[in-house]
Amino acid sequence: QSALTQPPSVSGSPGQSVTISCTGTSSDVGSTNRVAWYQQSSGTAPKLVIYEVGSRPSGVPDRFSGSKSGNTASLTISGLQAEDAADYYCSSYSTRRAHVFGTGTKVTVL
Amino acid sequence: QVQLVESGGGVVQSGRSLRLSCAASGFAFGTYAMHWVRQAPGKGLEWVAFISYDGNKRFYGDSVKGRFTISRDNSENTLYVQMDSLRPADSAVYYCVSGLTEDSAFDHWGQGALVTVSS
Repeated sequence: QSALTQPPSVSGSPGQSVTISCTGTSSDVGSTNRVAWYQQSSGTAPKLVIYEVGSRPSGVPDRFSGSKSGNTASLTISGLQAEDAADYYCSSYSTRRAHVFGTGTKVTVL
Repeated sequence: QVQLVESGGGVVQSGRSLRLSCAASGFAFGTYAMHWVRQAPGKGLEWVAFISYDGNKRFYGDSVKGRFTISRDNSENTLYVQMDSLRPADSAVYYCVSGLTEDSAFDHWGQGALVTVSS
């Protein structure tokens, strides 16, 4: 179960948009809509921000959006705010009946 | 509100065993799939194990298969993981996590329990 590939870091100024990619294979991201994104602030447990590629749980701001094309999923944060600074992880359910996480991306708000 | 509270973490020698527990409240525990997810210090997230709502299906990550056993007691709203033949590479914060079904996203997380395996 190889980890999904994410960029180590992305950054943006307040109000800008940033996009994080998550690249897998035809056995995971490419074969399912069970792709999710998690936000983890320093020293805390992860929090679900996107599920099933592009759906938001109740309480998650609509500046968070998700999409997928082929084997790559993406998380976009529009109108970046200081509180969005955190680590972000994607995850996917795979055909091997296992979940696989991404390598993680640190979002910095300049 | 949903609460997942892990316990049982600590320091253990390589080759020994440890059992983590997770007390659940605030939701219909017996109808949810449950997982363990871990995070080594300064590293990313790793899915460890899954158990179906009724305990009849269990799946494991390759790195723990044959050494870890996930179980649950729906009458006590408690999730467990028995960790045997522990290795230093198993040192991590272990999170108890809920998901509606086997392939659902992880919607609620506990605060985590730290396990340190010394060599």
